Amino acid sequence: QKEVEQDPGPLSVPEGAIVSLNCTYSNSAFQYFMWYRQYSRKGPELLMYTYSSGNKEDGRFTAQVDKSSKYISLFIRDSQPSDSATYLCAMILNTGANSKLTFGKGITLSVRP
Amino acid sequence: EPEVTQTPSHQVTQMGQEVILRCVPISNHLYFYWYRQILGQKVEFLVSFYNNEISEKSEIFDDQFSVERPDGSNFTLKIRSTKLEDSAMYFCANPAGPSYGYTFGSGTRLTVV
Repeated sequence: QKEVEQDPGPLSVPEGAIVSLNCTYSNSAFQYFMWYRQYSRKGPELLMYTYSSGNKEDGRFTAQVDKSSKYISLFIRDSQPSDSATYLCAMILNTGANSKLTFGKGITLSVRP
Repeated sequence: EPEVTQTPSHQVTQMGQEVILRCVPISNHLYFYWYRQILGQKVEFLVSFYNNEISEKSEIFDDQFSVERPDGSNFTLKIRSTKLEDSAMYFCANPAGPSYGYTFGSGTRLTVV
């Protein structure tokens, strides 16, 4: 079983739609959860990070973590064409020197005007 | 906002040649990471560098790879004898402060021909 699995894509939605992006993970020791946005041939850009189970909101973005189900989600409200990018979930075990990120494969989102 | 700077942005090299990828991380950080992303695949951890020493490396980071800090502000990733399968985007990253996320550079696209 892969450590981090992300819903396959691509995903195409009309402008204004609510987008739901999801990842599951197998290692219950993961403690910190992140969502990155990546444009073509660019580095990942941190969007959201969460630690505990529950919801965290930042503008149009909401990150949700359910540690009991080992499931995380990113919701995008009122999606815009500028949200078109690849979205990567990532997680780490701790924040020590060996806190490497483990990524999902990413899902490419296209928001149609 | 602090940036991680990588050079070159694109490098083409012949198989068997040595390449050196460079990174200027966010200043005053002891933690430093290299990741790679083969086209269409997930971002993969290569090596973490803490306090001038390798703290962890992945299976990908074999004897052909080395990481150095030639001076106080620059880090390098060296691939001694490149193979076709080394073609990928290479990213360096620093922890992004209290968010526990990471700031990634814009990457070096390495093409081995």
